[in-house]
Amino acid sequence: SQQGEEDPQALSIQEGENATMNCSYKTSINNLQWYRQNSGRGLVHLILIRSNEREKHSGRLRVTLDTSKKSSSLLITASRAADTASYFCATVQGYNTDKLIFGTGTRLQVFP
Amino acid sequence: DTEVTQTPKHLVMGMTNKKSLKCEQHMGHRAMYWYKQKAKKPPELMFVYSYEKLSINESVPSRFSPECPNSSLLNLHLHALQPEDSALYLCASSQASGLAGFEQYFGPGTRLTVT
Repeated sequence: SQQGEEDPQALSIQEGENATMNCSYKTSINNLQWYRQNSGRGLVHLILIRSNEREKHSGRLRVTLDTSKKSSSLLITASRAADTASYFCATVQGYNTDKLIFGTGTRLQVFP
Repeated sequence: DTEVTQTPKHLVMGMTNKKSLKCEQHMGHRAMYWYKQKAKKPPELMFVYSYEKLSINESVPSRFSPECPNSSLLNLHLHALQPEDSALYLCASSQASGLAGFEQYFGPGTRLTVT
């Protein structure tokens, strides 16, 4: 399987704490994307980082990419109860494809 | 308008029924996708349409038949499904396909139950 792995599988924190999720993938990539999914709903795109970038920020989100280790991390700072969701990394493998390969996902619960 | 709409939201069908799922976007995107998602699992790609032509079929059984009537619409025709096909079916779209790997915009999904 080309599917990436995420850890932890589940994470529970209090509001105001930071949440870190990690993603590992198996082959060389064009870019890596992070998505959020609220329970049973569609996915929302959060951030895209290209293979020649090492770090990217968007609001309370910070994403890092280490292509030598084939890994990425998503940091959510000052978490809120509304951040409760599943988070998936997804990679575009190759340079002329629309095919997104999703990781296994991290279920984040933020308690008020 | 950055919305992808899907109808119906819920669908219950018997194994002998024929039904269709519909997806629509008005963002001018030229790539559209169908995904299947089982509970607590990541989405799995089924089909990709690029410029209204089927570009990727992930070895999906023929009881699932996609159709792209125009650049804004994507259908998934269902026939003789099995109970294990019960899942959340997600539609997505993105800008012109290939090369740059654009982000995808997802609809809310259709929750399908096959009885």
